[in-house]
Amino acid sequence: GAVVSQHPSRVICKSGTSVKIECRSLDFQATTMFWYRQFPKQSLMLMATSNEGSKATYEQGVEKDKFLINHASLTLSTLTVTSAHPEDSSFYICSASPQGDQPQHFGDGTRLSIL
Amino acid sequence: ELKVEQNPLFLSMQEGKNYTIYCNYSTTSDRLYWYRQDPGKSLESLFVLLSNGAVKQEGRLMASLDTKARLSTLHITAAVHDLSATYFCAVEGSGTYKYIFGTGTRLKVLA
Repeated sequence: GAVVSQHPSRVICKSGTSVKIECRSLDFQATTMFWYRQFPKQSLMLMATSNEGSKATYEQGVEKDKFLINHASLTLSTLTVTSAHPEDSSFYICSASPQGDQPQHFGDGTRLSIL
Repeated sequence: ELKVEQNPLFLSMQEGKNYTIYCNYSTTSDRLYWYRQDPGKSLESLFVLLSNGAVKQEGRLMASLDTKARLSTLHITAAVHDLSATYFCAVEGSGTYKYIFGTGTRLKVLA
């Protein structure tokens, strides 16, 4: 079955640093990937749509300069949290689908903790 | 704007009992998904509902979709402790492929 891999699974870093999270589709190509954020005991909130070869589309209220998304190939999207602060601490999950109309497959998530 | 609500938010139930979780959404969609999330983990896909009247069952869980009422239900039959988790529904925005998640239902099954 379709597999989506995220790396790293967990990262702890100091305030002010930038953190990059990778999302890979292992056995299929994905022109579109999605990034979600989940705060403790809350639901998943869609942050942005990552489009291969073009700019990402951000949801309302999500700072595009804060959360940089790059989708340089059909199997890899990266989310960079720039100048991270404690309020950016969250669980970040990506998803992808072999075709737009097929169900999304979710990665295992990345737990980001900013000290 | 598509909004998705679930109720109840919290559910504590005895083993062996039945219960239903409801998922309501605000705009037209024919595609709805149910997921389970264990603490500290990502999502586990439970059901994919792609048309009005769709009903799917797996073990003690059964999901249905009524697109006219914009309502999906997740029915739990004879609950067991292993079903304790948070359950989310997600609705796909028409023509967008974006998933909007419900608020989630935290289920605790008491032995």
